[in-house]
Amino acid sequence: SQQGEEDPQALSIQEGENATMNCSYKTSINNLQWYRQNSGRGLVHLILIRSNEREKHSGRLRVTLDTSKKSSSLLITASRAADTASYFCATDTYMDSNYQLIWGAGTKLIIKP
Amino acid sequence: GAGVSQSPSNKVTEKGKDVELRCDPISGHTALYWYRQRLGQGLEFLIYFQGNSAPDKSGLPSDRFSAERTGESVSTLTIQRTQQEDSAVYLCASSFYWGLSYEQYFGPGTRLTVT
Repeated sequence: SQQGEEDPQALSIQEGENATMNCSYKTSINNLQWYRQNSGRGLVHLILIRSNEREKHSGRLRVTLDTSKKSSSLLITASRAADTASYFCATDTYMDSNYQLIWGAGTKLIIKP
Repeated sequence: GAGVSQSPSNKVTEKGKDVELRCDPISGHTALYWYRQRLGQGLEFLIYFQGNSAPDKSGLPSDRFSAERTGESVSTLTIQRTQQEDSAVYLCASSFYWGLSYEQYFGPGTRLTVT
């Protein structure tokens, strides 16, 4: 079952503005990753943040992780038309002695020119 | 280098038929994952393989689903007696090792339509 949840479900902003997406999860995790999916390039890994990390940067991307709140946020600064895509968070955890990879339903981001 | 490839890219089948989906991972990647993505939804984890270890089948939705992997190479996902609710895009990914400590590289997917 899906336990990761992104919000908002959809976000439309003007090019140049910043976009913030959030991901919440229910169980303790080892790692959290963010991925982007668009029709042109499929699913592509953006950034990994480990459970003992609080913030990571990669180019125009900034990811934070708050394990006490079981949430993460992805900030895209100075958005571009090419950032139009769906963004997913994925977490890994052990549940019932089984390793589980749990993905959220995604945030659909539209960058308006 | 070559990325993850999947075949076929599209498959239309009649309800009740069996289908076989193929995934060729990146050479040297020991972990391979299968996911299902329904329209407008996130990814549903199905199964993963790590090296020659027994696969973790805990995510398979029913006993109609099975998967095999030949060593650290090609994998096939088989769906028997397909149902309309099986219609989805099936994505394969590989990574250097299992777990989200490693980036997953995704294939383009197989779009399965059950009529």
